[in-house]
Amino acid sequence: KAGVTQTPRYLIKTRGQQVTLSCSPISGHRSVSWYQQTPGQGLQFLFEYFSETQRNKGNFPGRFSGRQFSNSRSEMNVSTLELGDSALYLCASSLVAGGIYEQYFGPGTRLTVT
Amino acid sequence: AQKITQTQPGMFVQEKEAVTLDCTYDTSDPSYGLFWYKQPSSGEMIFLIYQGSYDQQNATEGRYSLNFQKARKSANLVISASQLGDSAMYFCAMREAISGGYNKLIFGAGTRLAVHP
Repeated sequence: KAGVTQTPRYLIKTRGQQVTLSCSPISGHRSVSWYQQTPGQGLQFLFEYFSETQRNKGNFPGRFSGRQFSNSRSEMNVSTLELGDSALYLCASSLVAGGIYEQYFGPGTRLTVT
Repeated sequence: AQKITQTQPGMFVQEKEAVTLDCTYDTSDPSYGLFWYKQPSSGEMIFLIYQGSYDQQNATEGRYSLNFQKARKSANLVISASQLGDSAMYFCAMREAISGGYNKLIFGAGTRLAVHP
């Protein structure tokens, strides 16, 4: 069974631009969560989608948004990029929302904002 | 408030020896799950082991075992027979089974493990 895939793996953008990252969960998984990892703040939860609905959102500004499609693939968008948005963005998929289930992560997208 | 604490920024171990990575947590939810992930320099987060709060026995997965002490709110990872490929960052994480069942993980700061030959 294929794992979680994220595209692109690396991205360089200029301050003020916008960016869209993509995540395809493990087949059959319906929950997709996004995390931001930076050296200063560590791993922080961005948001979670289940059945095309955002179920939970972390403490990030409105410039960070996402969506999920009917095939469970998810995208996250960051508008008006700032230097501080440079980070590794990880998505994780889980079989269901609710209960206690393992979450499996993708390889991440490393975003550099110049 | 939910919190994960990993007090060891870095650890060293000799190849083939066992090592314990510490993790303490704080939660008021009686139902929760504890996770350990490995992150090599490539950046991917590799799931290692999971322990549910109601599990009676400590979780084990190959060379990984989780020393779960519920009363002390401790969930230490034990790696037996360390290998050079075990050198990586290790993160402890928790998810609460809160109302609505959100899949939000709270991570610790991580422990960087270096395995020496």
